[in-house]
Amino acid sequence: SQQGEEDPQALSIQEGENATMNCSYKTSINNLQWYRQNSGRGLVHLILIRSNEREKHSGRLRVTLDTSKKSSSLLITASRAADTASYFCAARPQGGSEKLVFGKGTKLTVNP
Amino acid sequence: NAGVTQTPKFQVLKTGQSMTLQCAQDMNHNSMYWYRQDPGMGLRLIYYSASEGTTDKGEVPNGYNVSRLNKREFSLRLESAAPSQTSVYFCASTPSQGTGTQPQHFGDGTRLSIL
Repeated sequence: SQQGEEDPQALSIQEGENATMNCSYKTSINNLQWYRQNSGRGLVHLILIRSNEREKHSGRLRVTLDTSKKSSSLLITASRAADTASYFCAARPQGGSEKLVFGKGTKLTVNP
Repeated sequence: NAGVTQTPKFQVLKTGQSMTLQCAQDMNHNSMYWYRQDPGMGLRLIYYSASEGTTDKGEVPNGYNVSRLNKREFSLRLESAAPSQTSVYFCASTPSQGTGTQPQHFGDGTRLSIL
């Protein structure tokens, strides 16, 4: 399988705490993307980090990328109950294809 | 704008029946994708279409066919459904400007059960 791995598979925290999710992938990449999926819905794009970037911020989201370790992390700061969802990383391999290789996801529960 | 629309939302089939899942996008995107999502497996690419008139196999194409009917529509067909094809199917699209930096936009999925 070409799929990457996220860890943890599930994470439960209290509102206001930070949530960190990790992702590992297998191939050389052009970029890595993070998506969110609410229960029963499709995926929604959150943030993209290019292979030549090490860190990127968007609002309460912080993404890091370590291409030497083929890993990325997503940090959500000051979490809210509305952040409860599954989070997926998706790696775009180097080359001309527009395909993405998705990880298996982390299910985040934020308790009020 | 509706974005990516998938029909139907739910379907139950018997083994051996055929079915076509429909997907349409109104964002003038070039590339479209079909994924399946199974518990604990994340999303796996079935087929994709980089542009109108082209289709290519993804990671798990066996048992499926696709048609890129026009720029807006990309359908997925199960010719003879099997219980192993019970899954949630997602369609996605992206502008595909050649940079690979455009996000994919997803529909809300078709939940398919095969008995």
